[in-house]
Amino acid sequence: AQSVTQLDSQVPVFEEAPVELRCNYSSSVSVYLFWYVQYPNQGLQLLLKYLSGSTLVKGINGFEAEFNKSQTSFHLRKPSVHISDTAEYFCAVSVNSGNTPLVFGKGTRLSVIA
Amino acid sequence: GAVVSQHPSWVICKSGTSVKIECRSLDFQATTMFWYRQFPKQSLMLMATSNEGSKATYEQGVEKDKFLINHASLTLSTLTVTSAHPEDSSFYICSAPRGEGGWLGYTFGSGTRLTVV
Repeated sequence: AQSVTQLDSQVPVFEEAPVELRCNYSSSVSVYLFWYVQYPNQGLQLLLKYLSGSTLVKGINGFEAEFNKSQTSFHLRKPSVHISDTAEYFCAVSVNSGNTPLVFGKGTRLSVIA
Repeated sequence: GAVVSQHPSWVICKSGTSVKIECRSLDFQATTMFWYRQFPKQSLMLMATSNEGSKATYEQGVEKDKFLINHASLTLSTLTVTSAHPEDSSFYICSAPRGEGGWLGYTFGSGTRLTVV
């Protein structure tokens, strides 16, 4: 079975500062990796995903993530955050075959401080 | 892009009544739909998997008779919370994978906030 660990439940950061949200996964088979953002009382919006190929993935809103197979990590980064980035961020993994559900981490609350 | 329309977005119901939540795929065929539940400030927990034309598969600890799932067509999956109680109050989200393993993405509904009073 797959599992996802998001090491930080809350990350406060000042506006225009860089941020990294950490994600580690566990799986015995090949996986796809995803980062989603959730604003209050809303569904999930895909930020980016890693399927294969280049380990550096660029997503929307200036976010990027790097897949590191040896460290089983998929950390999310942004060089300069805005107030509007305040939200809950979820890392997720799926097995790359069949119709399998996403397995989510517990989420990281990013709070951007003016 | 692919869209899953989820309705209602919020609902308040009396204890003991039933509530139906619908998820429709608008521009693609959803052979599979995943149903998640999210408690405040917590992650999404998979409740069940529905496949068009067959019985849903429920995760351990999820009551089949309380959470009735129907996937009668390639574009519609429904979750009915029967005899709702305050502890069923939660945020419910559906998700449909596209492509093998979701390589084309997972499309999420916008969620339903259920409050049972």
